[in-house]
Amino acid sequence: DGGITQSPKYLFRKEGQNVTLSCEQNLNHDAMYWYRQDPGQGLRLIYYSQIVNDFQKGDIAEGYSVSREKKESFPLTVTSAQKNPTAFYLCASSIVGQANTGELFFGEGSRLTVL
Amino acid sequence: QKEVEQNSGPLSVPEGAIASLNCTYSDRGSQSFFWYRQYSGKSPELIMFIYSNGDKEDGRFTAQLNKASQYVSLLIRDSQPSDSATYLCVGGNYQLIWGAGTKLIIKP
Repeated sequence: DGGITQSPKYLFRKEGQNVTLSCEQNLNHDAMYWYRQDPGQGLRLIYYSQIVNDFQKGDIAEGYSVSREKKESFPLTVTSAQKNPTAFYLCASSIVGQANTGELFFGEGSRLTVL
Repeated sequence: QKEVEQNSGPLSVPEGAIASLNCTYSDRGSQSFFWYRQYSGKSPELIMFIYSNGDKEDGRFTAQLNKASQYVSLLIRDSQPSDSATYLCVGGNYQLIWGAGTKLIIKP
């Protein structure tokens, strides 16, 4: 079955540590996205990528980094520079980029807690 | 700042009744609108999209768009307990703007 796989589902991190969240898709989608969701707030875009080896900052990119070396993979690193990293992180993909909008397919999410 | 506003709820509706969810948006350039459903602890899933003024029906769901009033709504007919979730309104042009969601509770 085609879909998006995020791992780990739950992650605990000590302050000062970098962590990497994995996102893999087998939908053959060109565009991939990372969102952050906090209670009572809408999804906020961290980074997005419309093609391999290219990615763009979203609204809240500070303290995060990404890579897009393969079409199927778009890992997110939460660095120690991110001041408040505890959140629910969602990876998504789509057939076209956000400029044309369209349906987003989401992974199951990764819940990061900083101890 | 571009915003999509939704009442956070919870909105409580008896089983079998019509649930009405609303949102307003500030960016007049928004062309596309989406309703996503999100169960607690899960990821969002698309249930409806609408591009043109008027109504769009899909099964028990009807999306309504009024660009002059910058208003989008979602009606759920014959509400079921399984419809209990948070509904996210999303507007977009070159960028998707997400509302914070309305929590809907269907009471048996």
